Amino acid sequence: ILNVEQSPQSLHVQEGDSTNFTCSFPSSNFYALHWYRWETAKSPEALFVMTLNGDEKKKGRISATLNTKEGYSYLYIKGSQPEDSATYLCACITGTASKLTFGTGTRLQVTL
Amino acid sequence: SAVISQKPSRDICQRGTSLTIQCQVDSQVTMMFWYRQQPGQSLTLIATANQGSEATYESGFVIDKFPISRPNLTFSTLTVSNMSPEDSSIYLCSGTGYSNPDTDTQYFGPGTRLTVL
Repeated sequence: ILNVEQSPQSLHVQEGDSTNFTCSFPSSNFYALHWYRWETAKSPEALFVMTLNGDEKKKGRISATLNTKEGYSYLYIKGSQPEDSATYLCACITGTASKLTFGTGTRLQVTL
Repeated sequence: SAVISQKPSRDICQRGTSLTIQCQVDSQVTMMFWYRQQPGQSLTLIATANQGSEATYESGFVIDKFPISRPNLTFSTLTVSNMSPEDSSIYLCSGTGYSNPDTDTQYFGPGTRLTVL
């Protein structure tokens, strides 16, 4: 059973703070890592798909890095805003299964 | 990109009954999936919906409990049969495109929030 872990489970920051969270996954047979942002009652929104060791991706104030050798990815949010409040999910694909295995998510709350 | 809609968005059902959830994609997708998120748990893959043939179920999920149909490339249904309170979850469908299902973005519907009493 593939084990994808995210930390912290939840996070509460002030507007303007920068923050980051971690996704850990087994490094063997790694194929791809997906990051999603999920607001309540909405569809999970795809943020990044990362495949190569050392990959760095950026979308506005959000960026992510990938280390496939040690099995982790970081998601960074610079200058958090209340609209960043959501659950951030990572999901891993290993082998040839084309199936996403999700972590339990990091719930971010940004207050004024 | 693909926009995915689901119906119903939420429902409250009595134990022993069945509910069918519909998933509609606005463009053709190669693969469609059904997921479940039980309270406090991660999103878990139930099955891959195959067009015109039986779905491929993950360990712990069976066709009698979760029959799935996919009559064409843009539509799928998931039925939760003989429901019990343990089936209370958010059910999501997703789809991914043609070029590489592993690295292509997987698009999700907004989910169906099911409560079983």
